[in-house]
Amino acid sequence: GENVEQHPSTLSVQEGDSAVIKCTYSDSASNYFPWYKQELGKGPQLIIDIRSNVGEKKDQRIAVTLNKTAKHFSLHITETQPEDSAVYFCAASKEGTGFQKLVFGTGTRLLVSP
Amino acid sequence: IAGITQAPTSQILAAGRRMTLRCTQDMRHNAMYWYRQDLGLGLRLIHYSNTAGTTGKGEVPDGYSVSRANTDDFPLTLASAVPSQTSVYFCASSRQGNTDTQYFGPGTRLTVL
Repeated sequence: GENVEQHPSTLSVQEGDSAVIKCTYSDSASNYFPWYKQELGKGPQLIIDIRSNVGEKKDQRIAVTLNKTAKHFSLHITETQPEDSAVYFCAASKEGTGFQKLVFGTGTRLLVSP
Repeated sequence: IAGITQAPTSQILAAGRRMTLRCTQDMRHNAMYWYRQDLGLGLRLIHYSNTAGTTGKGEVPDGYSVSRANTDDFPLTLASAVPSQTSVYFCASSRQGNTDTQYFGPGTRLTVL
C-alpha cells in the first residue's frame, strides 16, 4: 500500500522568510496530493491540493509542486506570518474504482517567530 | 451551517469500559471517516463509510466498530477500551470518497486509564 514520508518534523523560521515542507510517496499510481493545516486544538483543514496532471499550483502565499518521476511533492509558503504557525500534513490518494484511502504523512510543526 | 460536530470534546475512561464517540455532519456528504491522531504517527484511518448503510475497515480497525444508519451520523464505538486507545479522534466527511476534499471535525480527546 501507499506510504507517505514527510520532512522535516519541525521547522522554525523568522517572519517573512520562506518555508518548504517535503513529502515522498511510494505508490506511482497516486494522483491526488492535498495539504492540510492543523491549528492547535482544531481539526485539519485543506489549504491546497494538486493532481498529477499539473506540476505546480499556487494560491497567494502558498504553492505546491509535484515531481511524479521522483514521487515527491512539496509545500512552499512565502512571506511567512505568525498565523502560519501550525502543523502541516501532506497526503496522497488515487482516483479509481472502489474506496481509495487518503494516506497522511506524519506532519510538520511550523513555528514562525515575529 | 455547523459542518461536522463531535461529542464529547474530551473524555477520561476506565479500561474495559464501553464508549461511543459521536459524529454528525450537516453537509449531506456521502462519505465519512474516523481517524486517530497520535504524536509522531500522523492521522491513521480507523473505519470509513462510502454511503449510508455501508462501512469498511481502515488501517487500524481493531478494537473499534462503526455504523452508518443514515447520511448524517457516523458513531465510533470502543467495545472494551484499552490504554493504547488513548488518542485524539477525528471524524471527517467528503462529498464522495476517493479524491474529494475531506472536512474534519474538532476532535475528541480520549484518555483510557
